[in-house]
Amino acid sequence: DAGITQSPRHKVTETGTPVTLRCHQTENHRYMYWYRQDPGHGLRLIHYSYGVKDTDKGEVSDGYSVSRSKTEDFLLTLESATSSQTSVYFCAISDGGRYNEQFFGPGTRLTVL
Amino acid sequence: AQKITQTQPGMFVQEKEAVTLDCTYDTSDQSYGLFWYKQPSSGEMIFLIYQGSYDEQNATEGRYSLNFQKARKSANLVISASQLGDSAMYVCAMSRPWSTGRRALTFGSGTRLQVQP
Repeated sequence: DAGITQSPRHKVTETGTPVTLRCHQTENHRYMYWYRQDPGHGLRLIHYSYGVKDTDKGEVSDGYSVSRSKTEDFLLTLESATSSQTSVYFCAISDGGRYNEQFFGPGTRLTVL
Repeated sequence: AQKITQTQPGMFVQEKEAVTLDCTYDTSDQSYGLFWYKQPSSGEMIFLIYQGSYDEQNATEGRYSLNFQKARKSANLVISASQLGDSAMYVCAMSRPWSTGRRALTFGSGTRLQVQP
């Protein structure tokens, strides 16, 4: 199994508070991704990174920011959490193989009250 | 636009029997990858198997095989000798070529498989 951890695994927070989710990998993969999974939508890409300090937006990036200061860590920040950001968040990694196969972390369940 | 269709919301199979989970896709790309993930009730996304569009042989990983029919745009997952632990949601996904700049996978809605003793 790919070495990917996410923290925290569960979090309950209140509207308007900042939240940071962490993804940590031990595979030294170049590419890292943040997805959210919601009923009826499948997984949707929030942001991704193609190297240290190199990031770009996905299809649902509004309200989120990311940072990657080290190869192994990719942080997702909700600057001011809203109830619409209640979701399960998955981190994924890829070594840039021909078909971009991605391996997922265990997920973080975030509830914004 | 990319699209993945999984037409079976739920399926039942008897333990030790084989089961096929359907996945059809739509793409205009020549190069793409097709993936299957298992999502048990605990929630994690477990990578099972993948098939590249240029791969001539169908992919196999243990009890999992991918029945790839390029002309029909289908990439069905076959699980042989089902086990109780196979009960989970199974999600089909597709990637686009790196040249498109699109890094996200496109996911299907999933098929929930229940293995009965």
